[in-house]
Amino acid sequence: GAGVSQSPRYKVAKRGQDVALRCDPISGHVSLFWYQQALGQGPEFLTYFQNEAQLDKSGLPSDRFFAERPEGSVSTLKIQRTQQEDSAVYLCASSIQGARNQPQHFGDGTRLSIL
Amino acid sequence: KQEVTQIPAALSVPEGENLVLNCSFTDSAIYNLQWFRQDPGKGLTSLLLIQSSQREQTSGRLNASLDKSSGRSTLYIAASQPGDSATYLCAVKSSGGSNYKLTFGKGTLLTVNP
Repeated sequence: GAGVSQSPRYKVAKRGQDVALRCDPISGHVSLFWYQQALGQGPEFLTYFQNEAQLDKSGLPSDRFFAERPEGSVSTLKIQRTQQEDSAVYLCASSIQGARNQPQHFGDGTRLSIL
Repeated sequence: KQEVTQIPAALSVPEGENLVLNCSFTDSAIYNLQWFRQDPGKGLTSLLLIQSSQREQTSGRLNASLDKSSGRSTLYIAASQPGDSATYLCAVKSSGGSNYKLTFGKGTLLTVNP
């Protein structure tokens, strides 16, 4: 498939555990985005990469959240010491270029449940 | 700070009806506006993207309009079908420094009854 791929699709963790969520963007897409979607809400921006550079992490809720894209392709969103309020769907999107008029293409998301 | 509002929050219609979904945004300085569809447990599928210089975009039974100055967009769905049942999300890309991030509304949950 040529779309954005996210894994795992579902993740259940106990409060306090660390989790890692993976995103494989569309091949050749320079820009990559992470969004958080709480139940019944629209997605909210977390962070933005252009190639391997993290240009904006202003949406990360706390310092427990960390994202990386070391080789400018696959990205990982890590959440340390998870809390119940971290339960949400985490969506990854990619675009050919980040700015302005390029559409973002979304994956199916990872549904994270913290018990 | 850009805020996006979608009305109604939920809508239930019989098959075959034409319908309109509404989206409003507080800051008219945008690059584009995008309508997405989200099926349960799935990601977002882009339906239509309207650039700030455009007034409308059409794709099949879908037509989206944009009135940037008043901060409004509508998504018109003609001859609705049960397969159109989904959540429809509106998102804007603001101009200015953060011209890469999308700001979303909470969505309209559409149910089309056979």
